[in-house]
Amino acid sequence: DIQMTQSPSSLSASVGDRVTITCQASQDISNFLNWYQQKPGKAPKLLIYDASNLETGVPSRFSGSGSGTDFTFTISSLQPEDIATYYCQHYDNLPPMTFGGGTKVEIK
Amino acid sequence: QLQLQESGPGLVKPSETLSLTCTVSGGSISSSSYYWGWIRQPPGKGLEWIGSIYYSGSTYYSPSLQSRVTISVDTSKNHFSLKLSSVTAADTAVYYCARRRVVRGVQRVDFWGQGTLVTVSS
Repeated sequence: DIQMTQSPSSLSASVGDRVTITCQASQDISNFLNWYQQKPGKAPKLLIYDASNLETGVPSRFSGSGSGTDFTFTISSLQPEDIATYYCQHYDNLPPMTFGGGTKVEIK
Repeated sequence: QLQLQESGPGLVKPSETLSLTCTVSGGSISSSSYYWGWIRQPPGKGLEWIGSIYYSGSTYYSPSLQSRVTISVDTSKNHFSLKLSSVTAADTAVYYCARRRVVRGVQRVDFWGQGTLVTVSS
């Protein structure tokens, strides 16, 4: 089974800072990777699909990159409303889908 | 606008079967390119995919839960359901129903229900 390792597990940054989260796959997954944002008490929301494509309606300060085994999610300028936990998610054919462990982003 | 709504008991006794239904509104569950599924999240923990179903009835389950999970679909009622048997406290979680969009090999979960907390306790 493919494992997804996300880091860091949590981070604290100031408003306006650039925030970077990484996700590493245990084997080559091409660009079969999505990123989600989950605010407390809410369902996750899709931000990035296929490693680097911005979902419709998502602010352009969010971006993703990478392929193979190493992926990066970036918030170019952290906003107060970005406080959330972020998850990477790998897919391959239909079963299954695998989530990373999550990164909790807080304001310093 | 598509909406998904989970329903079912919030409390299940150990060894019994957890049953949830997800009602889809604002769109047809029979649309091609979409799979419908369940994802859960234990309190304070991460997300775990449980399984998915296509409107034709084809199912796909997590290997770790496969022996206990059944997902079914009722296109006439535009809803799909989850049954998880022989539950233990480890199955306590928020259960989300969700739509998985598959287009030219690209997959993403683009709509989620609000989630429902199911507690396993006697």
